[in-house]
Amino acid sequence: NAGVTQTPKFQVLKTGQSMTLQCAQDMNHNSMYWYRQDPGMGLRLIYYSASEGTTDKGEVPNGYNVSRLNKREFSLRLESAAPSQTSVYFCASSERGGTEAFFGQGTRLTVV
Amino acid sequence: AQSVTQLGSHVSVSEGALVLLRCNYSSSVPPYLFWYVQYPNQGLQLLLKYTSAATLVKGINGFEAEFKKSETSFHLTKPSAHMSDAAEYFCAVTSFSGGYNKLIFGAGTRLAVHP
Repeated sequence: NAGVTQTPKFQVLKTGQSMTLQCAQDMNHNSMYWYRQDPGMGLRLIYYSASEGTTDKGEVPNGYNVSRLNKREFSLRLESAAPSQTSVYFCASSERGGTEAFFGQGTRLTVV
Repeated sequence: AQSVTQLGSHVSVSEGALVLLRCNYSSSVPPYLFWYVQYPNQGLQLLLKYTSAATLVKGINGFEAEFKKSETSFHLTKPSAHMSDAAEYFCAVTSFSGGYNKLIFGAGTRLAVHP
């Protein structure tokens, strides 16, 4: 079982460039999350999806967009990357909202 | 919306000593609470969870946590620390906002274990 798979694992962007972080889960979960992890800040929720076709803003949504096109996949897009978006990004999924979440291995993004 | 506060961003213990990592939550209703562990350069792994059953919850690797409603706390303990316990630990709570239940994390506590 792959669980939650994130791609890419590492990425360096120049300021103003765009990119999409991909996430897929094979556990038939309804809920999916995108978090960012910064030193001393813990994990902060960027966006949440309760089910296919639904998304909701989290604590720090500015500068990001998401897409939940099907049950398996939940992508995070940076339209115009900024140095403040340098972080480690984690995707997670759970059977339903607020229950035990399973995490991917993370994407380490650096914006220069 | 609910939140969690982890007291102490860094905790250092000797091998064999008691581990105590503190977590307090704010919630007007009985919450679901979780402890996760993160080893270097890895994702998060569930240690244990409280879902309104027994107040003393046992998890993996000898960890346990006690839900205390009167103190709004869910502290993580382990009787005897091992070197392999060195990692970052996160407390999380179910939070209802925007019409959905979401999982919200604390700032984390980095545990160092010394020989």
